[in-house]
Amino acid sequence: KAGVTQTPRYLIKTRGQQVTLSCSPISGHRSVSWYQQTPGQGLQFLFEYFSETQRNKGNFPGRFSGRQFSNSRSEMNVSTLELGDSALYLCASSSKVGQSLVEAFFGQGTRLTVV
Amino acid sequence: QKEVEQDPGPLSVPEGAIVSLNCTYSNSAFQYFMWYRQYSRKGPELLMYTYSSGNKEDGRFTAQVDKSSKYISLFIRDSQPSDSATYLCAMRGRDDKIIFGKGTRLHILP
Repeated sequence: KAGVTQTPRYLIKTRGQQVTLSCSPISGHRSVSWYQQTPGQGLQFLFEYFSETQRNKGNFPGRFSGRQFSNSRSEMNVSTLELGDSALYLCASSSKVGQSLVEAFFGQGTRLTVV
Repeated sequence: QKEVEQDPGPLSVPEGAIVSLNCTYSNSAFQYFMWYRQYSRKGPELLMYTYSSGNKEDGRFTAQVDKSSKYISLFIRDSQPSDSATYLCAMRGRDDKIIFGKGTRLHILP
């Protein structure tokens, strides 16, 4: 069974640009969550999608947005990039929703560097 | 006070030793308590999870939750160099958001 696939693995962007990251969940998983990981803040929750609907959102500015498609694939977009957006962006998929949504499987992440 | 506190380490122990990793938390609504392991340049992988208080054992790993003290632990017995990684505790409440600790870097010395 293929794992969670994130593309691209590495990305370098300039301040002010926008970026789109992609996540393909494990086949059959309908829940996709996005996280930002930095050395200073650790893993921080961005948002979660289930069946194309955003179920939860973390405390990030509106420059961070996401969506989920009917095949459960998800994208996240960051507009007007800032240097502080440099981070590892991780996607996790799960087969359950609501109670006992515990077993999240992570992709390898996209390393975004903003220069 | 942060919702989840975890000592960043690094923690260095000799091979074969028992490792104890800990987290404290402040939100009494957390119900699920998880431990993830993250190797360098990889995404986190779920090691174990526990619902509410109590112990759970899986091979060399034991997870403990003490809800009265808001304290969780992960013990690794007979530690191996391959256990060298960053260990993240995580917690989930009724709102389904997972809150992670910042992770403890563990080095097992051969």
